[in-house]
Amino acid sequence: QKEVEQDPGPLSVPEGAIVSLNCTYSNSAFQYFMWYRQYSRKGPELLMYTYSSGNKEDGRFTAQVDKSSKYISLFIRDSQPSDSATYLCAMSAYFGNEKLTFGTGTRLTIIP
Amino acid sequence: DAGITQSPRHKVTETGTPVTLRCHQTENHRYMYWYRQDPGHGLRLIHYSYGVKDTDKGEVSDGYSVSRSKTEDFLLTLESATSSQTSVYFCAISRVRDYSYEQYFGPGTRLTVT
Repeated sequence: QKEVEQDPGPLSVPEGAIVSLNCTYSNSAFQYFMWYRQYSRKGPELLMYTYSSGNKEDGRFTAQVDKSSKYISLFIRDSQPSDSATYLCAMSAYFGNEKLTFGTGTRLTIIP
Repeated sequence: DAGITQSPRHKVTETGTPVTLRCHQTENHRYMYWYRQDPGHGLRLIHYSYGVKDTDKGEVSDGYSVSRSKTEDFLLTLESATSSQTSVYFCAISRVRDYSYEQYFGPGTRLTVT
């Protein structure tokens, strides 16, 4: 069983909808949680970085961490066609030399 | 943009040949990483470096070696390429920002081993 599980999708939603993307993990040592967005044939770009449990908001994006359930989420409000991409969760137990463990990614399409 | 370039961007090579991929950064970051990305596996760490001539293995290091003789360059070598090494290879750096240690990725190299 993988340390980080992520539904690969694909997920299609209409423009303007709220999108919920999720990852579960098994390693209770993970403390640092990230979401990356990857457009087709491009490198991943960092969207959100959170430490421990709680919520973090940045514009239309909200990252949520529930360490007790080993579950993290990314919410996208007012989704736009430009949000169509693959979203990867990543996590680490250590600050500094971060050897990240990634989920496999969820492919999201926003339908105009 | 973290000032990361990768070369070549695309390469087709034959089984058994050596291949070297280059990652170049312009911001003097100490930590650099090589990942491979495959369907169903996501991104997996191959090797990383924490300084000039200081490197360590990642999750999938067999068949790969690395070198870092200058801060700005991190080379990944496939000593004898196999078809299982067909993949997209990403270089990354770590940047400290607002008490977080964030990894930023290059554009990737698409390698096909025939």
